[in-house]
Amino acid sequence: DVKVTQSSRYLVKRTGEKVFLECVQDMDHENMFWYRQDPGLGLRLIYFSYDVKMKEKGDIPEGYSVSREKKERFSLILESASTNQTSMYLCASSLAGVLSNQPQHFGDGTRLSIL
Amino acid sequence: GEDVEQSLFLSVREGDSSVINCTYTDSSSTYLYWYKQEPGAGLQLLTYIFSNMDMKQDQRLTVLLNKKDKHLSLRIADTQTGDSAIYFCAEKGNNRLAFGKGNQVVVIP
Repeated sequence: DVKVTQSSRYLVKRTGEKVFLECVQDMDHENMFWYRQDPGLGLRLIYFSYDVKMKEKGDIPEGYSVSREKKERFSLILESASTNQTSMYLCASSLAGVLSNQPQHFGDGTRLSIL
Repeated sequence: GEDVEQSLFLSVREGDSSVINCTYTDSSSTYLYWYKQEPGAGLQLLTYIFSNMDMKQDQRLTVLLNKKDKHLSLRIADTQTGDSAIYFCAEKGNNRLAFGKGNQVVVIP
């Protein structure tokens, strides 16, 4: 089974702090994704990565950056946390392939609170 | 771009069937997915359908796809209390998925 592991289930940080959310997958997937989930808004894509050192902006990249130094690890960085970044953050991974069936597999999420 | 619409809430009695609907916009989508999210957890892949199929059955789950109307539905037979969750449909675009906002299903014992 694919395992996507997010380092923290719950995290509380202060406004202005630099925050790192870590995600590791064990299935040698090329693609990795970071989403945030908010009530009434569903999942919104922040950033994704096709390969090591590659990154692409999603729909809401402002205030975030990412790092993919190794294939199995994709980090989401909040450069200077703000209260409107309080949310549930979900990491996912998938094999590459535009035309083939490559579903995304999700971690359990990190519930981040910014005070 | 892709846009996926879902209704937000459904309540159903235990043992009845549930039907969750979804509409999408990208006619070039190759695969469409249903995910389940239980409270406090991530999304779990339930089932998927390839765009050249009309129907797919997987135990208690039946997926129906109407390509002409860009309409996808998920039917859960004999709904159980463990089926209480948020259900997301998603369509596959260019190496990424577009998700609906989710449909919360509450099963009443």
